[in-house]
Amino acid sequence: NAGVTQTPKFQVLKTGQSMTLQCAQDMNHNSMYWYRQDPGMGLRLIYYSASEGTTDKGEVPDGYNVSRLKKQNFLLGLESAAPSQTSVYFCASKTSGTDTQYFGPGTRLTVL
Amino acid sequence: GDSVTQMEGPVTLSEEAFLTINCTYTATGYPSLFWYVQYPGEGLQLLLKATKADDKGSNKGFEATYRKETTSFHLEKGSVQVSDSAVYFCALSPNDYKLSFGAGTTVTVRA
Repeated sequence: NAGVTQTPKFQVLKTGQSMTLQCAQDMNHNSMYWYRQDPGMGLRLIYYSASEGTTDKGEVPDGYNVSRLKKQNFLLGLESAAPSQTSVYFCASKTSGTDTQYFGPGTRLTVL
Repeated sequence: GDSVTQMEGPVTLSEEAFLTINCTYTATGYPSLFWYVQYPGEGLQLLLKATKADDKGSNKGFEATYRKETTSFHLEKGSVQVSDSAVYFCALSPNDYKLSFGAGTTVTVRA
């Protein structure tokens, strides 16, 4: 099992550009999550999906959109990137009814 | 709302020293508590967890006890190694969906 995978690993964007971060899991987990990690702030939840086809906002959803069309994939979109979105982004997944989340290796995004 | 406060770092130790990272929480109800570890260049991994008061989680020589009376979940290890150098995150889960993380504590162990 690959677990949770994320692509790309690194990305540099210019202000105003758009992109999609991809997350895939092969553990048949129902729930998936997107976090951002910033120095001194821990991880903050951007969006989550309790099941295929459903999504909900987390703490910091502004400037992002998500898509969960397939159970194994959870996409995070930036429509118009801003320097404030420079961060490391982590995807996670878990089985419903359990409390342990499994994390991907992260995507380091820089917005110039 | 639910929140976690953990000891600020960075923490620098010598090999075989004793490590404590303090973590306190604010929550309604009885959340599950976790310690996650992030090794350099990697994602987070679950280190240990406890789901109810007085439970002790343990893994890889690390321990933490769920203390409801002091709303704490301090992480301890009796003898650290260079390979324990990492960022440690305390977290709580108030329900089936969400995790709330502390800011993280960077630990460096020197040989």
